Amino acid sequence: AQTVTQSQPEMSVQEAETVTLSCTYDTSESDYYLFWYKQPPSRQMILVIRQEAYKQQNATENRFSVNFQKAAKSFSLKISDSQLGDAAMYFCAYRSAGQGGSEKLVFGKGTKLTVNP
Amino acid sequence: EPEVTQTPSHQVTQMGQEVILRCVPISNHLYFYWYRQILGQKVEFLVSFYNNEISEKSEIFDDQFSVERPDGSNFTLKIRSTKLEDSAMYFCASSLPGLAGASGQFFGPGTRLTVL
Repeated sequence: AQTVTQSQPEMSVQEAETVTLSCTYDTSESDYYLFWYKQPPSRQMILVIRQEAYKQQNATENRFSVNFQKAAKSFSLKISDSQLGDAAMYFCAYRSAGQGGSEKLVFGKGTKLTVNP
Repeated sequence: EPEVTQTPSHQVTQMGQEVILRCVPISNHLYFYWYRQILGQKVEFLVSFYNNEISEKSEIFDDQFSVERPDGSNFTLKIRSTKLEDSAMYFCASSLPGLAGASGQFFGPGTRLTVL
């Protein structure tokens, strides 16, 4: 079974600074997708960024980018120019991609990000 | 932009009562999911639904739970006889199938279920 580990329960960053959230995962599959979701205090789950495992190029979405290291099974999220609205729980998630594979998302325990003004 | 909607936003019920949580997935999505999040814990998969049947379920999804797509738009989760430990946030999600699912699962705002 796949597992996702987020080793930082809490992180903080100064407004306008850069912060990196860590995520590692364990799988025997070669084909999969990885996601970062944001959960603000409203508790809505918002998709931030996604990465296909077969792509070597790291995904970017505006101020959000990932560092995907397939061999190390690492998928960190970098938030540049942090804003107060970035304060939230961030969840890393894994999904199989192979034929007949599970469609479910496997989540890590989350990292609570605080942005200090 | 299309979004997943859920009703009610908050449901309070007595232990032993039946509850039905409702979701309207994004209209062109074909995979539907229910997840739950007990306060302070991670999000856990309950069930996935495709082509009018359950495609996968977790060990949490026991006989007390059922899902249904009663019409072309709604997707429901029924808990037959609620227990205190069913208190959680329940999220509905939907996605495109197969490779298109790489675009991710899109979540509704959640229903907070409180069992007294």
